[in-house]
Formats: sequence, structure tokens, C-alpha cells
Amino acid sequence: GAGVSQTPSNKVTEKGKYVELRCDPISGHTALYWYRQSLGQGPEFLIYFQGTGAADDSGLPNDRFFAVRPEGSVSTLKIQRTERGDSAVYLCASRWGPQASGELFFGEGSRLTVL
Amino acid sequence: RKEVEQDPGPFNVPEGATVAFNCTYSNSASQSFFWYRQDCRKEPKLLMSVYSSGNEDGRFTAQLNRASQYISLLIRDSKLSDSATYLCVVEKFGNEKLTFGTGTRLTIIP
Repeated sequence: GAGVSQTPSNKVTEKGKYVELRCDPISGHTALYWYRQSLGQGPEFLIYFQGTGAADDSGLPNDRFFAVRPEGSVSTLKIQRTERGDSAVYLCASRWGPQASGELFFGEGSRLTVL
Repeated sequence: RKEVEQDPGPFNVPEGATVAFNCTYSNSASQSFFWYRQDCRKEPKLLMSVYSSGNEDGRFTAQLNRASQYISLLIRDSKLSDSATYLCVVEKFGNEKLTFGTGTRLTIIP
């Protein structure tokens, strides 16, 4: 498809388990972002990639969270030892490049529920 | 203080009314400003960019006041389809991180 694709759309896991969330950005978009959104809140920045490198990971809440983008396209957000507070919708977005028009194109999100 | 602050609402206004939202930002180095719209359980989508001179797109008008560090969105002749959450977004110069506000929830009442 032409849009940002995220899988899985829903993930239910138990506290303490490991989770991977995948994002496939729009083809040709060099900038890729991960956000987290809790109910009633705006998207909270986690990490931003320009190409393969993490240009800004200041939003990752702690060392249980890690993200990669090894080939500059698909990205994976990894969460270790999940906690109930990690429950949220994880949104991925992409755009052409730094400050290119400003428009982020979002995927539909991965809804994570930690029991 | 949060980087981007918005009144969360909810704003419940009758169809055809004019409604305005404000958003304040704390970092004077902020360079680019946007309004995004998010429908219930959907992803955010760009509504419009906000330029220093102000800009209009149909029934929507966005204004930027750099001196007071606030952004506004005005919706005229509101439609039922305008019901959504409106997110204020700020991008800092030299840093491609886009910071979102909490969002303002708007419901248009028939």
C-alpha cells in the first residue's frame, strides 16, 4: 500500500514479556518517527530516525525501550519486560526528510495492552 | 511547564457556530507550527500549517503570534464532520522532533 503500515494492529501481552512492533514507512521517506499515545493525551515523542541512525531518542522512557531501522526503511520498536504502564497506542509516522513540508504521515497504530 | 499546552475541552458547539482554539508553546526557538486533526480511534492527519502571516483554508484560519508564543485555529460555520480532536504541533529549529499538545476535543451539536 501507499501509506505507513504498522503491525500488529493489536497486541495483548502479559507483564514481563517482550514485544516487538513493526513500522513500514512510505517508500522513499527518509525520516521515521515513533510516538506513544495514551487515552485522552496527545502523541508523545519517543524516537526519530533519519535514514538508519537514531537522530533523537530523547523520548524513550527508559532502557526497556529500544528501536532500530537497520536498512533505513522498516523500523522495529522493541519493549522488554513490559509493564502495565506501557499500555498505549504506538504510532509510527514518516516524511520525506528533515523539515520537509512538516507533514507527518501516520500509520493506524499498534494498540498494546499489557495485562 | 509543558512544551505545548492546549485546553483539552471538550468544546460542544452548535452546528453553524464559530469556534476558536488557542495553543501556547514554551520554546521561543520553535520554528514550524501545525494543526493536526484526529478522529476517534484514528491516526492524526495534517489539517494545516501555520505561517507567520496567518493562513486560511476554506472555513479554517490559523494564526501565529510569535511575541506571545501562541497559535490559534478558527473554524467558521462549523459542520457535524468537524467533530474531532485538534492537535497543536510545534517543531523546534534545528531539531526535527515534532511536539504535540494534548489536543482539544470538539463536538459539533446538530
